[in-house]
Amino acid sequence: DAKTTQPNSMESNEEEPVHLPCNHSTISGTDYIHWYRQLPSQGPEYVIHGLTSNVNNRMASLAIAEDRKSSTLILHRATLRDAAVYYCILRDRDNAGNMLTFGGGTRLMVKP
Amino acid sequence: EPEVTQTPSHQVTQMGQEVILRCVPISNHLYFYWYRQILGQKVEFLVSFYNNEISEKSEIFDDQFSVERPDGSNFTLKIRSTKLEDSAMYFCASNSQGRGNYGYTFGSGTRLTVV
Repeated sequence: DAKTTQPNSMESNEEEPVHLPCNHSTISGTDYIHWYRQLPSQGPEYVIHGLTSNVNNRMASLAIAEDRKSSTLILHRATLRDAAVYYCILRDRDNAGNMLTFGGGTRLMVKP
Repeated sequence: EPEVTQTPSHQVTQMGQEVILRCVPISNHLYFYWYRQILGQKVEFLVSFYNNEISEKSEIFDDQFSVERPDGSNFTLKIRSTKLEDSAMYFCASNSQGRGNYGYTFGSGTRLTVV
């Protein structure tokens, strides 16, 4: 499986935008870029995913580099509730049922 | 929004006892999974299940573990003879198609404590 690299931790102020980076230099052409987050004492939660184009949903935006070797999850206005561990994970488009491989993720701390 | 439901939220068991963790995946989902997370460590894949059989399993999922979909709604994880090192959060997940273009929905987890 292609691997991702994320900073261990990041800090943000409440109500400011947050940009969470992810490097995936060995990504293959059929890999989707997925982001999940895990709030304290909860299960992982799907945030967003994309293949080549930037994506927006109600939770976040995903900016994908043109060469697809990196991506950035953007939280437009961080709230205290966004404090969580954020995971960037690659999933093969064509491999049915394959599991998610979680790395260490980025622990986001949000200061009031 | 549809949810994956797990019961119980917390289970304490004696070492050597059997436990069954229960999950109700989202009703129209076809792929089901169990993951676990030992305190302070990464989320680890255990097993995936599709069409009433295991499609993939990790090295952690040894003969002590089994999964079952006994009816149209429940998905269970059984640990036959629990060990202290089985203490962890166990998460059930499901998705509709299994392929990379679909996200997983996870449950809130069952905290298993083996004493």
